[in-house]
Amino acid sequence: ILNVEQSPQSLHVQEGDSTNFTCSFPSSNFYALHWYRWETAKSPEALFVMTLNGDEKKKGRISATLNTKEGYSYLYIKGSQPEDSATYLCAFINTDKLIFGTGTRLQVFP
Amino acid sequence: NAGVTQTPKFRVLKTGQSMTLLCAQDMNHEYMYWYRQDPGMGLRLIHYSVGEGTTAKGEVPDGYNVSRLKKQNFLLGLESAAPSQTSVYFCASSYSAPALSGNTIYFGEGSWLTVV
Repeated sequence: ILNVEQSPQSLHVQEGDSTNFTCSFPSSNFYALHWYRWETAKSPEALFVMTLNGDEKKKGRISATLNTKEGYSYLYIKGSQPEDSATYLCAFINTDKLIFGTGTRLQVFP
Repeated sequence: NAGVTQTPKFRVLKTGQSMTLLCAQDMNHEYMYWYRQDPGMGLRLIHYSVGEGTTAKGEVPDGYNVSRLKKQNFLLGLESAAPSQTSVYFCASSYSAPALSGNTIYFGEGSWLTVV
């Protein structure tokens, strides 16, 4: 059974704080890693698709890095805003399937 | 562009009843997936399909069946519903293999199912 772990499970920060989360995944048979942003009562939305060791992707204030050799990815949010409040999911690609972590729930207080 | 549409959005079933969840996508995607989401457990893959006429088991397939008779539709069936199948079900699709660079997954809005 493939294990994808995310930490922390939840995070509460003040507006303006920068924060980061971790996704750990099996380092063998790596194909790709996805990050998704999931707001309550909505569908998960893709943030990043990462395929190469050392990949670094950025979208506005959110960025992600990838280390396939040691099996982890970091998601960073710079200057958190209340609208960043959501659950952030990572998914490890195993051939045709996505195996999701349990997510990090971020709450940003004004 | 509707994207991924799931029906019904809400349903209450009695133990032992059967039902089918329909997922439809209008993006000509080859791959389709059914996930269930339970508190503290994230998204778990039930079944998936890599093209019309194909299906495969995911992490938690027991108690569910699926069919992909048409490329745009992926049906999830519960033959004899059990309270343990109370969950939120998400359908998703992708153009091709998610391992390929740039192939993100598009999700439906979820179907809330309660089995009493």
